[in-house]
Amino acid sequence: SQELEQSPQSLIVQEGKNLTINCTSSKTLYGLYWYKQKYGEGLIFLMMLQKGGEEKSHEKITAKLDEKKQQSSLHITASQPSHAGIYLCGADGNTDKLIFGTGTRLQVFP
Amino acid sequence: DTGVSQNPRHKITKRGQNVTFRCDPISEHNRLYWYRQTLGQGPEFLTYFQNEAQLEKSRLLSDRFSAERPKGSFSTLEIQRTEQGDSAMYLCASSLDGGFYGYTFGSGTRLTVV
Repeated sequence: SQELEQSPQSLIVQEGKNLTINCTSSKTLYGLYWYKQKYGEGLIFLMMLQKGGEEKSHEKITAKLDEKKQQSSLHITASQPSHAGIYLCGADGNTDKLIFGTGTRLQVFP
Repeated sequence: DTGVSQNPRHKITKRGQNVTFRCDPISEHNRLYWYRQTLGQGPEFLTYFQNEAQLEKSRLLSDRFSAERPKGSFSTLEIQRTEQGDSAMYLCASSLDGGFYGYTFGSGTRLTVV
């Protein structure tokens, strides 16, 4: 079965700094999804990547899927306190359901 | 459409009691998923439906858990004889024919078993 590993598990950055979160899959990624979760709440969809080499951006967040489709990265530029939360990568492989990594907890301090 | 709706948001129950959660998906979505999330972990897949048919169940879904989607619209997840280990966030998601158009999650139901 496919497994996703996220790194780092936890990240504390000063406001204004850039940061990167990685998601590595044990198998080829067919669909890679990034979500954000505030503590105790549901998942908010950020981006979906499907093609090797694909890159998408939304506001100050950029996600990439590498050519071999086994790793994705999420980059936040000029972080703000509103970026704080748990970032989750999910993949549905060639199955009909999403499986998730363990998440990366991001804290941004002023 | 207001997205995926889950009720209740919070539930506190005594060990041994039965609980039921409800999920209302996005109306045009034919697939509905249930996940469980414990503190510090990513969501774990429990089961999913395509219309009213339950197509897959995880080994995590013990005999005490049952899910239904009787008319292919809303779904319920029931836990019988709750145990403290059942305390978690239960998340519902829906999609249209898999993930091509993405998966939309609800706000979850937080269960605390005391």
